[in-house]
Amino acid sequence: RKEVEQDPGPFNVPEGATVAFNCTYSNSASQSFFWYRQDCRKEPKLLMSVYSSGNEDGRFTAQLNRASQYISLLIRDSKLSDSATYLCVLHGDSSYKLIFGSGTRLLVRP
Amino acid sequence: GAVVSQHPSRVICKSGTSVKIECRSLDFQATTMFWYRQFPKQSLMLMATSNEGSKATYEQGVEKDKFLINHASLTLSTLTVTSAHPEDSSFYICSATPGGGPSSTTQYFGPGTRLTVL
Repeated sequence: RKEVEQDPGPFNVPEGATVAFNCTYSNSASQSFFWYRQDCRKEPKLLMSVYSSGNEDGRFTAQLNRASQYISLLIRDSKLSDSATYLCVLHGDSSYKLIFGSGTRLLVRP
Repeated sequence: GAVVSQHPSRVICKSGTSVKIECRSLDFQATTMFWYRQFPKQSLMLMATSNEGSKATYEQGVEKDKFLINHASLTLSTLTVTSAHPEDSSFYICSATPGGGPSSTTQYFGPGTRLTVL
């Protein structure tokens, strides 16, 4: 079983739509969770950290469910510029290592 | 924010040659640097963790004699792909962290190097 699993998509949505991605992880000892964004042929960039209480950054809301071992990202009022691959990432139990999911691709159409 | 550079951004080489990729932290000292590889439509896979002044720690399945890592200073780590073959063609990305404990675990990514081996 992969350590981090994501639906590869693509999710094809119109501008202004709300879209949600989920990610599941297998290691219950994982301590830190993140969503990264990766544009085609570019490096990943941190979008936001994910906290147990849930957190929001503008149009983006992240949630963590430790009991079910999944993380979600909600994007409201999608923009064309949101088109990218969204990577679910977590830290291992006691190291600086980042473990990446294979990403969910989002396409926002006009 | 912290900036990490990589050079070259793109390289095309013949099979059997060696290729060196540099990763530099431009405005901070990087105690630890990481090297990742990403094949098309796949996730970033950690290849090795490099600490300044010591030997790199390689992930399972990564050949240390083929992927030579040198982290001779706090701002520079290099990855040399020796005797490259077409299957080594990939997107190589480094990241750097200032280290210093749990509060400094943020990784700053370089822009990546796209390697094509003919």
